[in-house]
Amino acid sequence: EAQVTQNPRYLITVTGKKLTVTCSQNMNHEYMSWYRQDPGLGLRQIYYSMNVEVTDKGDVPEGYKVSRKEKRNFPLILESPSPNQTSLYFCASSPGTVNSPLHFGNGTRLTVT
Amino acid sequence: TQLLEQSPQFLSIQEGENLTVYCNSSSVFSSLQWYRQEPGEGPVLLVTVVTGGEVKKLKRLTFQFGDARKDSSLHITAAQPGDTGLYLCAGGLFSGTYKYIFGTGTRLKVLA
Repeated sequence: EAQVTQNPRYLITVTGKKLTVTCSQNMNHEYMSWYRQDPGLGLRQIYYSMNVEVTDKGDVPEGYKVSRKEKRNFPLILESPSPNQTSLYFCASSPGTVNSPLHFGNGTRLTVT
Repeated sequence: TQLLEQSPQFLSIQEGENLTVYCNSSSVFSSLQWYRQEPGEGPVLLVTVVTGGEVKKLKRLTFQFGDARKDSSLHITAAQPGDTGLYLCAGGLFSGTYKYIFGTGTRLKVLA
């Protein structure tokens, strides 16, 4: 089954404790992206990647890092989480062609206390 | 910064009523996509419209892309409780860049 898999689904952590949210897709997609979803603000892009070893900042990259060492994986790293990073995070992928749709994971709800 | 404004933000209607959700921007998009998101899940694509003035129908849902490719609407006829969810529009920018701009969403509740 074609899918984008995120882990974990829920995560509660404390300020400053490094964490990684994993994302994997099995559709051989070129493009992968991370979004955060906050009430009233919609989906905002954090980072994206057009291909292996190619990553770029989205609209809200501060406090986040990503890597794309393999085509299928695109982990999101929070080196020193802060409470304002409490949010619902989504990983998405697409073939990377014009007008192609995004395929989303089921989300990771992160709480930073 | 490109913005996509969706209206209304919230909508609560009775089963059988019709409704329209609007998605507006000052930017011109290569395409406009509509997604639906249910609690605990990621958004799922409903439709992609590409040509200015294009109208697409998906059962009781009608999607329209504005002539200038800056706006779009989603019309639901005879809404059912199963239509309940968060509806998101997303504008695609693929000329010189590769970016999706998401609207703030419309949360629809259809009461039986």
